[in-house]
Amino acid sequence: AQSVTQLDSQVPVFEEAPVELRCNYSSSVSVYLFWYVQYPNQGLQLLLKYLSGSTLVESINGFEAEFNKSQTSFHLRKPSVHISDTAEYFCAVRSRVIQGAQKLVFGQGTRLTINP
Amino acid sequence: DAGVTQSPTHLIKTRGQQVTLRCSPKSGHDTVSWYQQALGQGPQFIFQYYEEEERQRGNFPDRFSGHQFPNYSSELNVNALLLGDSALYLCASSLRVTNTEAFFGQGTRLTVV
Repeated sequence: AQSVTQLDSQVPVFEEAPVELRCNYSSSVSVYLFWYVQYPNQGLQLLLKYLSGSTLVESINGFEAEFNKSQTSFHLRKPSVHISDTAEYFCAVRSRVIQGAQKLVFGQGTRLTINP
Repeated sequence: DAGVTQSPTHLIKTRGQQVTLRCSPKSGHDTVSWYQQALGQGPQFIFQYYEEEERQRGNFPDRFSGHQFPNYSSELNVNALLLGDSALYLCASSLRVTNTEAFFGQGTRLTVV
């Protein structure tokens, strides 16, 4: 079984400031890791994913996340945020076992609010 | 590619009624999963369909049922609606053999009154 904990339910920051959204997970099997973003009244969009290889993964809009196996974390960071980054961010895990559980297990979400 | 499409976008039902939500997966995908997202919460897994069979189920009562058609599209049915069933219902599609990424639809907002 897997579980995901997002340590901050809300994160307010000023525009152009750096931000870190924290995510820790627990799993008895090896997992893939994801960050999804949800804008108001919309579905989920994949922001970035860690499958294998380099533990630092990047998105096209400046976000990055680092997989830390020893700390079972997958924190999301951006060096300079914009008003348009205001959204709900969800960390999720999925088992790597193809024939096993393919469901995504989500955290409770972090609401990122960017203030001008 | 239209991506994952869900219908309807919004729905209002009365307690005790039944509802059917529909999902068309992304082109080339063969697996459909359904999630319930209550207000202010993360999505919760309901069940997953592959080859027209329910393959995995989350902690939801039997009032929640589903179906997958030969063209991979899917329906979610909820019977005897409760006020607590009010939520955003999300459909996600993926390719089972790779199992690396799920694409989500825009969701159906169900309100039970």
